[in-house]
Amino acid sequence: GDSVTQMEGPVTLSEEAFLTINCTYTATGYPSLFWYVQYPGEGLQLLLKATKADDKGSNKGFEATYRKETTSFHLEKGSVQVSDSAVYFCALSDKRGADGLTFGKGTHLIIQP
Amino acid sequence: GAGVSQSPSNKVTEKGKDVELRCDPISGHTALYWYRQRLGQGLEFLIYFQGNSAPDKSGLPSDRFSAERTGESVSTLTIQRTQQEDSAVYLCASSFVQGSTDTQYFGPGTRLTVL
Repeated sequence: GDSVTQMEGPVTLSEEAFLTINCTYTATGYPSLFWYVQYPGEGLQLLLKATKADDKGSNKGFEATYRKETTSFHLEKGSVQVSDSAVYFCALSDKRGADGLTFGKGTHLIIQP
Repeated sequence: GAGVSQSPSNKVTEKGKDVELRCDPISGHTALYWYRQRLGQGLEFLIYFQGNSAPDKSGLPSDRFSAERTGESVSTLTIQRTQQEDSAVYLCASSFVQGSTDTQYFGPGTRLTVL
């Protein structure tokens, strides 16, 4: 079945550092890929998405590129802020399937001033 | 406009009791999803509803779990004879149409604790 693997946390960085959170996936079809973010005390929010190979999703300074050849969708940001501290979830939706999202376990990101 | 709402926000129950969790989707959203998030784990897809179609129940973890939805409005997730392993955050999401590219909007969740 489908699966998503993302780097374990917590990831601790200093403000203005470069961020990469790795995400790889396994899917039988041609999935759409998502990054969701959960800020402290809040619900899950869509951060960005990409629906086909080589698409780049971007939002709030974050970017991720759909790499079919490496089955990856790594999240990057050039200069993180304290307000980026949150839990980040990589997810996929298989177009063949039941349309529920398959999530990774989440990566807790801590940004120190 | 209001987002997805869920109630109760927290529920503590004794092993063996039944619980009912409620989800109010965003108005006009035809698709509704339930997920479970156990401590330290990712979200586990449980079930979805699309309009008046029969739901896909294959993701429900056991026959103690059931869910209903009236038309395109409120949904309830019922867990009968709760067990300690049912302790988790139960999340509901809705989207405008069912489909892999449609954004799912999540509610704040119900934290269930089974003693």
